[in-house]
Parts: sequence; structure tokens; C-alpha cells
Amino acid sequence: DQQVKQNSPSLSVQEGRISILNCDYTNSMFDYFLWYKKYPAEGPTFLISISSIKDKNEDGRFTVFLNKSAKHLSLHIVPSQPGDSAVYFCAASGLGKLVFGAGTILRVKS
Amino acid sequence: DTAVSQTPKYLVTQMGNDKSIKCEQNLGHDTMYWYKQDSKKFLKIMFSYNNKELIINETVPNRFSPKSPDKAHLNLHINSLELGDSAVYFCASSQGFLRGIGYGYTFGSGTRLTVV
Repeated sequence: DQQVKQNSPSLSVQEGRISILNCDYTNSMFDYFLWYKKYPAEGPTFLISISSIKDKNEDGRFTVFLNKSAKHLSLHIVPSQPGDSAVYFCAASGLGKLVFGAGTILRVKS
Repeated sequence: DTAVSQTPKYLVTQMGNDKSIKCEQNLGHDTMYWYKQDSKKFLKIMFSYNNKELIINETVPNRFSPKSPDKAHLNLHINSLELGDSAVYFCASSQGFLRGIGYGYTFGSGTRLTVV
């Protein structure tokens, strides 16, 4: 039972353009949503989060949008840079644990 | 200075063996976790410990036994290893485990376990 879904396994974007990564969830009890970035042979690193009571959180080039009625969140990266190429995991927090999606591979082409 | 460190980074072993993976965090966090990333790349929680007490045990076979000697350490011992145990195991830590983990967990770099 996948409570957090990332339906796009991969995304390819030109350097300087916007990257949009999407995530859907099923459990209304999640209280925080997070994005993690992962490089090969490394652990996931925390990128940005949003509380379930907000609809937008911004940190530099990264913005996360939350649509609670649609149970959908997205991560926008503007402008995209080659160093952003990594696997991005969406995660939801609830009941003392993080539930992760399967990840989306982002490739930023220079 | 590594925040969450796991050893070993790679582990190749035969079926039926018993092995341990160690994890240490120097962040002063009170909660530690083990996650498993399977072949489909999902990260799934296995265990969490808060102040050395087991909080979450996610229907993991009892061949897997976590041990937390103190708040800074959470080790994972696996008995009678099976082929299906092959995966990447990640240790993580956080301050607090209830509501509002908006700042996320800090993960180690993972241990790639291969059972042959």
C-alpha cells in the first residue's frame, strides 16, 4: 500500500529552465511533507519541507507547493543547474515516521 | 566530521550467516532509525528508537534485531541471512519523533548488503 507516490520515474530538463517534481499522497493524517535529494552512494539529504497547514514554502531556488484537497505536492527548482541532477524523494511525516515515495531521477542538461 | 556514520559501507556475505551493521550519530539527537532501500528503490522504515527505547517495529522478520546501547548508537544485527535481505540499509537520526518533524532526518551514507 503506497501512501506516497511519485509517478514519474525520471525527468530531464535543460539548464536554466524550471524543474517540476510531483508527488501524491493518500493519508490525510500526514502533518509534514518533505523533499530529499540523493546522490549515488550517499544517503538522502534534506532539502525542504512544508507543514500541512501551509500551501507554499520557498528556500532560494526551491519552492514546494501543497494542495491538500488534491493530496498533491510539487517541488519547483528555478533555475535548474547541472548539480541538481540527483534522485529526489518525496516524504510524508506522520505517527513518528517518514513515509517515502519511490523517487524521481532528475537530469539537468547543460 | 560525519554526522551519522555507518559501518561497513559494503558487506558481502553468504546465505545463513549472521552479520551486524553499526550506526553512530554525533548530532545529539534522541531518535534513531533504520530504513531499507529495496531493489525497487523504495525507502521503508524498519525500526525507530527514541532514547534507547524501541518505538516502531514495522513487521520486520525477527531475524533482524536492533540494539541501542545509548542514544548515539543504533546497531542492526541480522541472523540467518537470506538472498532477499540484499538491499541498502540506511541509518538516520532526528530530534524528536512525534509531530512536526519538518526539519527532516539526517541520514547516513548507507550500507550495501549483498547476500550470495
